[in-house]
Amino acid sequence: QVQLVQSGAEVKKPGSSVKVSCKASGGTFSTFAMSWVRQAPGQGLEWMGGITPILGIGNYAQKFQGRVTITADESRSTVYMELSSLRSEDTAVYYCAGQIAVAGFDYWGQGTLVTVSS
Amino acid sequence: EIVLTQSPGTLSLSPGDRATLSCRASQSLSSSFLVWYQHKPGQAPRLLIYGAFNRATGIPDRFSGSGSGTDFTLTITRLEPEDFAVYYCQHYGGSPWPFGQGTKVEI
Repeated sequence: QVQLVQSGAEVKKPGSSVKVSCKASGGTFSTFAMSWVRQAPGQGLEWMGGITPILGIGNYAQKFQGRVTITADESRSTVYMELSSLRSEDTAVYYCAGQIAVAGFDYWGQGTLVTVSS
Repeated sequence: EIVLTQSPGTLSLSPGDRATLSCRASQSLSSSFLVWYQHKPGQAPRLLIYGAFNRATGIPDRFSGSGSGTDFTLTITRLEPEDFAVYYCQHYGGSPWPFGQGTKVEI
């Protein structure tokens, strides 16, 4: 059974960066298609970008191009999302999600709250 | 880029009712790539339907998906108390993979 476990909550200042991790257990990590999805307070789900570790190349939503970097470390079965130039509107719960068995995100991390506040 | 528009924004129903949720795409989609999720407060989203009509593992048969082209529907027959949540459709085709804005099913 695949499990995705994310790093803990973060509080950041505007203009800084945050890096959130998501460690996978079970399955063949290098073949998972991993994405990051966020939900700001009172808002819906927003796909930010993704990566397939075996391919090693991230792809990003246009809204986040230049500000988000998604990487994977196969030796640690971990995917990372780094978001820079943080602003208050980036306050959200960030989820990692894996497309593993079917065409859709069939596995999710527990979510990481990132709060951006001065 | 494909835009998904869900309607209605909110559905006010009672347990035992039937819920019909709509997802309309800005251009024709392959049914293979239309996905539905359920999201409850404080929890991670849960995959319900993939490929427009295939139920994910463990999803009760009161949930069903249908549609093609630009119009897709999620139907919940006989709402249970645990079904009150927000539902999202998603296009899981070529990147990007946008979500609709969600439909809240409330009591």
